[in-house]
This record gives sequence, structure tokens and C-alpha cells, in this order.
Amino acid sequence: GAVVSQHPSRVICKSGTSVKIECRSLDFQATTMFWYRQFPKKSLMLMATSNEGSKATYEQGVEKDKFLINHASLTLSTLTVTSAHPEDSSFYICSAAGYDNTGELFFGEGSRLTVL
Amino acid sequence: GQQLNQSPQSMFIQEGEDVSMNCTSSSIFNTWLWYKQDPGEGPVLLIALYKAGELTSNGRLTAQFGITRKDSFLNISASIPSDVGIYFCAGQGGAQKLVFGQGTRLTINP
Repeated sequence: GAVVSQHPSRVICKSGTSVKIECRSLDFQATTMFWYRQFPKKSLMLMATSNEGSKATYEQGVEKDKFLINHASLTLSTLTVTSAHPEDSSFYICSAAGYDNTGELFFGEGSRLTVL
Repeated sequence: GQQLNQSPQSMFIQEGEDVSMNCTSSSIFNTWLWYKQDPGEGPVLLIALYKAGELTSNGRLTAQFGITRKDSFLNISASIPSDVGIYFCAGQGGAQKLVFGQGTRLTINP
């Protein structure tokens, strides 16, 4: 099946720094990618929808200046957590939708961010 | 926003027992999906349901898309140790967005 890869899988950073997480579709072109956030023992919450070549669409309550999303190519979307704080510590997961009409989404392995 | 109510939140069963979990929604969805998530990893799709009333099996897993399009259930028969994990239902409406349930944490005693 289709493969979506995230990098890094784990990152620890100091408060105030920015962290970039990459989401790549390895064997298909992804017109749309989604970014989710998951707190421990909680469900996945959609943060934003990333469309190749256009601005991301953020869900209500998600700060677009805090969570910068770039989808510059059909195989790569990046999420940058700017000026990270401890409350930004979380598990971030991306998913990608291909060109086919099934609507199936393929999930990355997730990236665990810890802000000290 | 839209929410899915998934139950039970956790289950503790003996190996070999059958498992049943369900999701309900106040909104209609076009597609219902069931995922399994292992610790520290992303969700993996188990079953996708595209039509109201559809009953689909994948090995020991069976899922149904409710007639009202507002609910779905997942059954696991003859559970084995590798079934341990967190199971999420998800509803998909327009624009391919997914709304996830709260998850069901399955623990199996050998």
C-alpha cells in the first residue's frame, strides 16, 4: 500500500525554538495532506488541511502563525511549530490523500515533540 | 465541531473472546472507517465502509455502516494477543476530512 513517512519521529527542543516536521508521500503524489495533533491517551484532532501550491486551511482554534504549514510539492508537506512552548509537546501525525477517487487517507508514523 | 462518541473507552478481555465496539454521531457521514493505533505510531486502516447498511469483513474483523449513517460498529472475533492496541472509528464527510472517535483501548489477558 501507499507509504507516508514523517521525519523526525522524535524531537526534543528548548522552549522558544522552532521545530520543523516533514511529511512525505513516498510512492504517490498527494494533492492534499492533513495534520493532526494527538495528546496522550486522546484522540486525533485535525489541525489543518494542506493543499499543494496553496495556503493551508486551519481548523477553528488552531493558530496559523504558531503552526506554519507548507505544501510546496506533491510529495512533501511541512509543519513548523514556531517559538515552541511546553504546552506544544504532543504527537503530531500527518495523512495524505492521493489522486484516486477512493478518498483513502494514508497516515504517517507520527512525530513526538517534547518541548523542555 | 463534529464529534463521534465511541464506546467502550477500554476493554479488558481474555484471549479468544470476541470484542465489540461502536461509534455514534449526531451528524451524517459519507464514509466510516476503523483504525488501529499501536503506541508511538500512526493509525493503520482496518476497514472502510462506504454505503449505509454495508457489512464488511477483514479476517476476524467485521464492521457495519449504520442505516442512518450516524453509527458504526466493529467486531473482533476470537481475539489474539496482537489485537492489543487502541481502536479508533472515524467519520469522513466532505473534503476528505476525518473526525475521530475517542478510541477504545483493548487489553488482552493471555
